[in-house]
Amino acid sequence: DTEVTQTPKHLVMGMTNKKSLKCEQHMGHRAMYWYKQKAKKPPELMFVYSYEKLSINESVPSRFSPECPNSSLLNLHLHALQPEDSALYLCASSLPSQGAWEKLFFGSGTQLSVL
Amino acid sequence: DAKTTQPNSMESNEEEPVHLPCNHSTISGTDYIHWYRQLPSQGPEYVIHGLTSNVNNRMASLAIAEDRKSSTLILHRATLRDAAVYYCILRSNFGNEKLTFGTGTRLTIIP
Repeated sequence: DTEVTQTPKHLVMGMTNKKSLKCEQHMGHRAMYWYKQKAKKPPELMFVYSYEKLSINESVPSRFSPECPNSSLLNLHLHALQPEDSALYLCASSLPSQGAWEKLFFGSGTQLSVL
Repeated sequence: DAKTTQPNSMESNEEEPVHLPCNHSTISGTDYIHWYRQLPSQGPEYVIHGLTSNVNNRMASLAIAEDRKSSTLILHRATLRDAAVYYCILRSNFGNEKLTFGTGTRLTIIP
């Protein structure tokens, strides 16, 4: 199984809603990532978890709250988002960063629209 | 992270080889060169990576200049399914949890 599964595939939410994005992998990877991608732009790194601990937060606003409850699961909790947060949210996983040769496996993303 | 420079877009005919260039003049000795591609409506997909020597795998070949300041991704026989945005990325062996995407090259395959 070399898949990273993201749910839901599409999400529409209002600015006062609370929602969560889910990411799951069963490859034994211990590094997991959240990226944000606006239309026609490259993915931008948001968070990195290594061994279920947050290791990188790229100065992301607190309305985005990541969680890694176990080695297979990564969540992104959303609250009080703005319309400009509408984007494709990508999850990725890799073996722990033993070196810069490790490759990332990406999910297909959640397309988020904030109204 | 050291930066990469790629053409914004390229076109190629189907069933012909494609050479996608990448310049990385500020590369450091421990930076690995990675290539990913993103097909429409999908997440990025790993293609190939290398450090100093040329590399081949089932998807593509990576040719690295002797001074490592540039590299070329080679698709030996392009198909319509190879139409994607191709990203050339340098990944440092220090702080290597980051994989930072540049703007990439949008490859169009002409039937």
